[in-house]
Amino acid sequence: NAGVTQTPKFQVLKTGQSMTLQCAQDMNHEYMSWYRQDPGMGLRLIHYSVGAGITDQGEVPNGYNVSRSTTEDFPLRLLSAAPSQTSVYFCASSYKGERDGYTFGSGTRLTVV
Amino acid sequence: AQRVTQPEKLLSVFKGAPVELKCNYSYSGSPELFWYVQYSRQRLQLLLRHISRESIKGFTADLNKGETSFHLKKPFAQEEDSAMYYCALSASGTYKYIFGTGTRLKVLA
Repeated sequence: NAGVTQTPKFQVLKTGQSMTLQCAQDMNHEYMSWYRQDPGMGLRLIHYSVGAGITDQGEVPNGYNVSRSTTEDFPLRLLSAAPSQTSVYFCASSYKGERDGYTFGSGTRLTVV
Repeated sequence: AQRVTQPEKLLSVFKGAPVELKCNYSYSGSPELFWYVQYSRQRLQLLLRHISRESIKGFTADLNKGETSFHLKKPFAQEEDSAMYYCALSASGTYKYIFGTGTRLKVLA
C-alpha cells in the first residue's frame, strides 16, 4: 500500500513549457485534490475530483487542467508554465471526502524560470 | 466568506512548556475542523479532527463555536513537535478544505 504517489519530486521548467504532474493512489479513494503551497499563503485548492470522470475547479484553477479517467490517477497539467506557478504542489486523496481527512502525497517542487 | 486565520507565523516555546496554536474561522454553516502537521521534509499528515474528539501525540483541540476558534493545545511540548501546523475547515458539501496560512512551531531545548 503505497498511499499517494507523486512524480516527479522536483522539476525546473522554462516559461511557456508544458508538463504533467502525476498523482496516483492505491487506496481506492474516490476524492482527489491538487493543492499548491506558497510561503505565507498556506495551501490553496487548484482542482478536485469526486470520482472518475468528475472534476471541478478550486480556488486557483487558471493555467492548470486535470482529468480523472480512472479512480487511481489524477494528473495535473500545466498548459504554458509561468514564473507565478513556481510552487510546491500536493496531491491528496480521501475515501469519503473532506470529512474523512485527506492523505497527502510527498509533493512536487516546481520552479519556472 | 469562508476563512481560516492562524495569526502566528512562528511560535517558539521551550521543551516542557505548554503550547497553544491559534486557529479562528469564519463560516456561516456548521464547520468541520482539522489540524494537519508537516514535519521537515515530510508530507502533510492529518493530526486530528474535531468530530472525533481524539488526542493524538498529546495534542487536543476543542471547537468553540461562540468564539469561532479551534485552538490546538499540548500541555508539555517536545522537541519532536517542531513542525508546520495547518488548521483547515471543511465547507460542508463542497468537497474541499480551506486552509490557514500555517504556524511554524519551534520547540527549543
